[in-house]
Amino acid sequence: DAGVIQSPRHEVTEMGQEVTLRCKPISGHNSLFWYRQTMMRGLELLIYFNNNVPIDDSGMPEDRFSAKMPNASFSTLKIQPSEPRDSAVYFCASSSKQGGGAYGYTFGSGTRLTVV
Amino acid sequence: GQQLNQSPQSMFIQEGEDVSMNCTSSSIFNTWLWYKQDPGEGPVLLIALYKAGELTSNGRLTAQFGITRKDSFLNISASIPSDVGIYFCAGQYAGNMLTFGGGTRLMVKP
Repeated sequence: DAGVIQSPRHEVTEMGQEVTLRCKPISGHNSLFWYRQTMMRGLELLIYFNNNVPIDDSGMPEDRFSAKMPNASFSTLKIQPSEPRDSAVYFCASSSKQGGGAYGYTFGSGTRLTVV
Repeated sequence: GQQLNQSPQSMFIQEGEDVSMNCTSSSIFNTWLWYKQDPGEGPVLLIALYKAGELTSNGRLTAQFGITRKDSFLNISASIPSDVGIYFCAGQYAGNMLTFGGGTRLMVKP
């Protein structure tokens, strides 16, 4: 299994531009999570999906952020328009259960976003 | 909601030293997990604990599920430079979401 695959690994964009982060969860996992990591705030849960349906998006910072999961093998996190304070590492994670089951969540390698 | 307090926030130790870190919660968990995040990568599961009082080892790592179910400890013996990274605890109760601690940043001086 290739694990959770995120793309791109690094993204540098100008303020005001649209940014789209992509995630392919582990096959057979039906829960998917988007996290943001910064030095100041640590790991923050942005949104999670069960069976492709968004369950809780209370962590999404504002309307500029949106996430979709059109099918079981793909999810996107979009920021429009991007701002410098969005600079962070964004992680996607998946699991076989909402609570993580016996093995918790499996994380991707992350996308390091820099907005200049 | 549930909160996890992880300490210390950071540690700078000499190679060969033992390391201890812990997490405490205001409420109980059924499962405790410990993750390690290498620089530039995502967190990877190290150890999972499922019963109060359980003590589990993985090489030089040993973790314990506190008997009150509100805390957990991770020990690393004889640290080496590749132990550098951020260690996260995570707790889970009754099928709910994982709750993550704030992380312990470990730095090892050769």
